[in-house]
Amino acid sequence: NAGVTQTPKFQVLKTGQSMTLQCAQDMNHEYMSWYRQDPGMGLRLIHYSVGAGITDQGEVPNGYNVSRSTTEDFPLRLLSAAPSQTSVYFCASSYLKTGPDHEQYFGPGTRLTVT
Amino acid sequence: RKEVEQDPGPFNVPEGATVAFNCTYSNSASQSFFWYRQDCRKEPKLLMSVYSSGNEDGRFTAQLNRASQYISLLIRDSKLSDSATYLCVVNPQNTGTASKLTFGTGTRLQVTL
Repeated sequence: NAGVTQTPKFQVLKTGQSMTLQCAQDMNHEYMSWYRQDPGMGLRLIHYSVGAGITDQGEVPNGYNVSRSTTEDFPLRLLSAAPSQTSVYFCASSYLKTGPDHEQYFGPGTRLTVT
Repeated sequence: RKEVEQDPGPFNVPEGATVAFNCTYSNSASQSFFWYRQDCRKEPKLLMSVYSSGNEDGRFTAQLNRASQYISLLIRDSKLSDSATYLCVVNPQNTGTASKLTFGTGTRLQVTL
């Protein structure tokens, strides 16, 4: 299993540009999510999905769109990049059932810089 | 008040030492608790879940205190390879379905020779 994969690993954008961060998992997980990690802020949830065709907003959704057309893929779109979106972005997936052994598997991250 | 609070550290300890981290959470209805480990410039990975009765995994012991709303992680006989940031993670819901995990900002541990 490849687990959770993310592309690209690094990206530099100019203000106003758009782009899509790709995320895929091969573990047949129903739940997928996107986080951003900033110094001193911890991981913050951007959007999440509990299955194909179902998405919802997290804590910091503004400026981002998602879709979930398949179980495997969960792309994150930046509509018009802003310097405030400079961050490290992690995609994660897990089984839907929650509980003490509910482990989220993270991708390796995308380091995004917006100038 | 933050939902999950941790001392950012760094905790600098010599190899072989015992070190403990605490984490407090604000939502008394929280149901599941975890410690994740994050190495520098890497993704977080599950270290261990935290059970109500406390649990141990080798040199690592996790405890939950619901009355005071904190969880702890104890590392015995620290190794250089334990150097990392330890994230306290709380699942606030108990609906039977995946929900939005809340992450602390992490406690950095540096183990030295």
